[in-house]
Amino acid sequence: GEDVEQSLFLSVREGDSSVINCTYTDSSSTYLYWYKQEPGAGLQLLTYIFSNMDMKQDQRLTVLLNKKDKHLSLRIADTQTGDSAIYFCPREGRTGAGSYQLTFGKGTKLSVIP
Amino acid sequence: GAGVSQSPSNKVTEKGKDVELRCDPISGHTALYWYRQSLGQGLEFLIYFQGNSAPDKSGLPSDRFSAERTGGSVSTLTIQRTQQEDSAVYLCASSQGAGGLQFFGPGTRLTVL
Repeated sequence: GEDVEQSLFLSVREGDSSVINCTYTDSSSTYLYWYKQEPGAGLQLLTYIFSNMDMKQDQRLTVLLNKKDKHLSLRIADTQTGDSAIYFCPREGRTGAGSYQLTFGKGTKLSVIP
Repeated sequence: GAGVSQSPSNKVTEKGKDVELRCDPISGHTALYWYRQSLGQGLEFLIYFQGNSAPDKSGLPSDRFSAERTGGSVSTLTIQRTQQEDSAVYLCASSQGAGGLQFFGPGTRLTVL
């Protein structure tokens, strides 16, 4: 299977909470990240969590990590239309030569309905 | 600079031509990465530079792809004899050191006709 698995689509109403989930086959990353990509734009680092943490809160964003189940989630409270984007949860890995790289899943497209 | 910058933002070329894509990392960041984002393959790692060490080219898809980084700062990704399957968004990222938080540029959208 894929190194990083995510649902492809999520649709929520404005003002509701959104929860985007990721599952990894390998949980050896030191950091786990959430990136946001708006149409035609690059990747914006939203937040990250150290692998020895269970939870991180950053304003409207809550990251939960279940290391045993290799599961990461991002909760966006009071979702706004500006949150509509594709969300990625790459894991950190090493190439065969030992260099750092990020391994990405296909991303979750969040659509916010006004 | 304030963030990672890339140029051009869009490039249209004809099959068989060579192209050069430029990345200007965040000032002081020693690590620089190139990724490619395409519809079929998603986001893939291409190449990694760290300081003055030899680059890790293990992600480059063919020998038509090469990259260099001059003076530990600006990087250029060169694609020779472009093919239609090279059409993608090429993203550059930099981090403060090896394994640090990666900050991405806006990307260069390459279209090969």
